[in-house]
Amino acid sequence: GAGVSQSPSNKVTEKGKDVELRCDPISGHTALYWYRQSLGQGLEFLIYFQGNSAPDKSGLPSDRFSAERTGGSVSTLTIQRTQQEDSAVYLCASRQGLRTYNEQFFGPGTRLTVL
Amino acid sequence: GEDVEQSLFLSVREGDSSVINCTYTDSSSTYLYWYKQEPGAGLQLLTYIFSNMDMKQDQRLTVLLNKKDKHLSLRIADTQTGDSAIYFCAESSGYSTLTFGKGTMLLVSP
Repeated sequence: GAGVSQSPSNKVTEKGKDVELRCDPISGHTALYWYRQSLGQGLEFLIYFQGNSAPDKSGLPSDRFSAERTGGSVSTLTIQRTQQEDSAVYLCASRQGLRTYNEQFFGPGTRLTVL
Repeated sequence: GEDVEQSLFLSVREGDSSVINCTYTDSSSTYLYWYKQEPGAGLQLLTYIFSNMDMKQDQRLTVLLNKKDKHLSLRIADTQTGDSAIYFCAESSGYSTLTFGKGTMLLVSP
């Protein structure tokens, strides 16, 4: 079956603009995660959804970042008033909720460049 | 908070064994994972180990866990050029999030 997909694959934007990044998880996966991967910083957790609710959003770096998930499926990460330090690869992952271990399936990521 | 540390770079020759090391701080970790990231791709789970195990072998991969020292290693036998990638160590203590290390870039030369 299809894996996790993300769109767009690349996004170039100007400082100050808003961007929306989309994630389509594997069908039936109840948990969804957003991470940010930037050079020298490794993989940084942003937010976790279980169904449509977000029990852990502790990793969102500022109030310019928000995310939502609808229908227990697609999720959108929104960055308002983008800054150059937001440039990174944004990765989405999903997990089947009933597994006892935390295997997350990752999408290919969206590379965001803020000029 | 939880922290996962790993060396940033490892270079080996084709056919040699590779050993990638990782240390973690969260004593309540229940599962530890190794993920692989090839260029331009997302992360792919390679293997995982439950915290009450010392060792797990899966074909060319051997995972060793020293829970007392909070040290995890991944050994790749007969390393091939196709094994060149970034390898991430990660830990979890429940059903929610994973904490990742910064990744070790493995370069395999012919």
